[in-house]
Amino acid sequence: EDKVVQSPLSLVVHEGDTVTLNCSYEVTNFRSLLWYKQEKKAPTFLFMLTSSGIEKKSGRLSSILDKKELFSILNITATQTGDSAIYLCAVVVSGNQFYFGTGTSLTVIP
Amino acid sequence: NAGVTQTPKFRILKIGQSMTLQCTQDMNHNYMYWYRQDPGMGLKLIYYSVGAGITDKGEVPNGYNVSRSTTEDFPLRLELAAPSQTSVYFCASSPAGTSGFINTGELFFGEGSRLTVL
Repeated sequence: EDKVVQSPLSLVVHEGDTVTLNCSYEVTNFRSLLWYKQEKKAPTFLFMLTSSGIEKKSGRLSSILDKKELFSILNITATQTGDSAIYLCAVVVSGNQFYFGTGTSLTVIP
Repeated sequence: NAGVTQTPKFRILKIGQSMTLQCTQDMNHNYMYWYRQDPGMGLKLIYYSVGAGITDKGEVPNGYNVSRSTTEDFPLRLELAAPSQTSVYFCASSPAGTSGFINTGELFFGEGSRLTVL
């Protein structure tokens, strides 16, 4: 059974802190791993990772994939209150099926 | 740009009632999906479709049915609603890639439908 596990489940930090969110997976026919941010409504796309060791970066957010150890991390530096959200990891397998983890709830306190 | 449109946004059902959640997309995407999200949980795949006339079960299909008669529409039907189906439902679409590699890297989501079964 395909499985995507995120940790921690929730996190509370102060503005300016750096956070690392984890996503591990056990799937067959891996294609890619994606990160999404979910605030009040639908998830919004952050990154897609297909190759090991290549960092994707967007502003204060960055992510990297390790296909040997089957995990990915999402880093957020200098956190702001606007970063408060649920961060979802999804693994895409052949057939274009997307399997989501339970998410990490991040709260950034001013 | 309409993107993926879901209706209704909110609905309260009594146990045993039936209803259909509508989903339509105007991006000519081949792949469409229905997910449910329970409080504090990630998204669970209910059904998906790789094109008109083709549907398949996801992780949690029991109690639901789908159809895909056109590229644009992918309705989700709940028969005999149960309290366990109280959830937020998301429809999503994804464009099929080319050259046999079908991963596009992004799902386009609707705004969600909040369903409560009492």
